[in-house]
Amino acid sequence: NAGVTQTPKFQVLKTGQSMTLQCAQDMNHEYMSWYRQDPGMGLRLIHYSVGAGITDQGEVPNGYNVSRSTTEDFPLRLLSAAPSQTSVYFCASSYSPQGYEQYFGPGTRLTVT
Amino acid sequence: GESVGLHLPTLSVQEGDNSIINCAYSNSASDYFIWYKQESGKGPQFIIDIRSNMDKRQGQRVTVLLNKTVKHLSLQIAATQPGDSAVYFCAENPRNYGQNFVFGPGTRLSVLP
Repeated sequence: NAGVTQTPKFQVLKTGQSMTLQCAQDMNHEYMSWYRQDPGMGLRLIHYSVGAGITDQGEVPNGYNVSRSTTEDFPLRLLSAAPSQTSVYFCASSYSPQGYEQYFGPGTRLTVT
Repeated sequence: GESVGLHLPTLSVQEGDNSIINCAYSNSASDYFIWYKQESGKGPQFIIDIRSNMDKRQGQRVTVLLNKTVKHLSLQIAATQPGDSAVYFCAENPRNYGQNFVFGPGTRLSVLP
């Protein structure tokens, strides 16, 4: 199993550009989530999904959209990038709907200039 | 609001010594806690978890202690090794936030030769 994969690994955007961060898992996990990690801070939840077709907002959802058309994929879309969205983004998945023992991807480092 | 914090942002220990990483949480309704290890350039990795009906749980070289009276969590690493050098996060599930976790800012553990 590849586990949780994320692409791209690095990305530089200009303010106002849009892009999609990809996340996929091959463990047949129902629960997936997106976090951002900023220097000196813990991970903050952006959006999450408890199954295909079901998504919900986390702590910091503004400026991001998600969809979950399949169990495997959970892309994160930045609608109009802002410098405040410069961060490292992690996707995670877990088997349990309680989100226990989440498996994290390697992260995407995004810089918005 | 809910918060999970760490008493020490950095910790340096000699190789072979025991390490203790502390964490304070503020939501007394939290019923599940996880410790994660994050190595440089990688996503967080599950280390050990504990439920609120337990005071102590042991894994391989790691022990988590939970003191619900003072809302304190600690991670003990026995015979610390160079490979233990990483940032360690505690995370709590505050229950009123769906299936999601609130992460602390992290403690960097440096193992000295």
